[in-house]
Amino acid sequence: KAGVTQTPRYLIKTRGQQVTLSCSPISGHRSVSWYQQTPGQGLQFLFEYFSETQRNKGNFPGRFSGRQFSNSRSEMNVSTLELGDSALYLCASMSGGGQETQYFGPGTRLLVL
Amino acid sequence: QKEVEQDPGPLSVPEGAIVSLNCTYSNSAFQYFMWYRQYSRKGPELLMYTYSSGNKEDGRFTAQVDKSSKYISLFIRDSQPSDSATYLCAIEENTDKLIFGTGTRLQVFP
Repeated sequence: KAGVTQTPRYLIKTRGQQVTLSCSPISGHRSVSWYQQTPGQGLQFLFEYFSETQRNKGNFPGRFSGRQFSNSRSEMNVSTLELGDSALYLCASMSGGGQETQYFGPGTRLLVL
Repeated sequence: QKEVEQDPGPLSVPEGAIVSLNCTYSNSAFQYFMWYRQYSRKGPELLMYTYSSGNKEDGRFTAQVDKSSKYISLFIRDSQPSDSATYLCAIEENTDKLIFGTGTRLQVFP
């Protein structure tokens, strides 16, 4: 079974631009969560989608948004990029049926100049 | 106070040593605890998943949860250079949200 895939793997943007990151979960998984990882703050939860609905949201500004499509693929968008948005963005998938583990993708490394 | 605290290290040990990695947490309601391993330029991969207090063993890895002290540990026996990675503790706040420690970087030298 293929794992979680994320595209692109690396991205360089400038301040003020916007960016869209994509995540394809493991086949059959309906839940996708997004995390931001930085050296100073570690891994922080952004939001989680299940069956195209946002179920939970972390403490990030409204510039961070996401969506999920009917095939469970998910995108996250960051508008008006700031230098502090430079991070590794990870998505994780699970089937969504209850207490279970999350499987992480390799991440998208975003650098904002 | 952060919900999950973890010593960032780095921790450097010789091959064959026993490694102890630790986290503390603040909310006594948490019941599901995990340890992830993250190699450089990779996403985290799940190592151990435990529920409530007690020990869980998997090969050279043992996860321990002490809910009375709000303390979780991961022990690695007979450490190998391939164990060199960042180890992240995580607590499941609810079914879809994990709270991570900042990670401990481990280096096992031959």
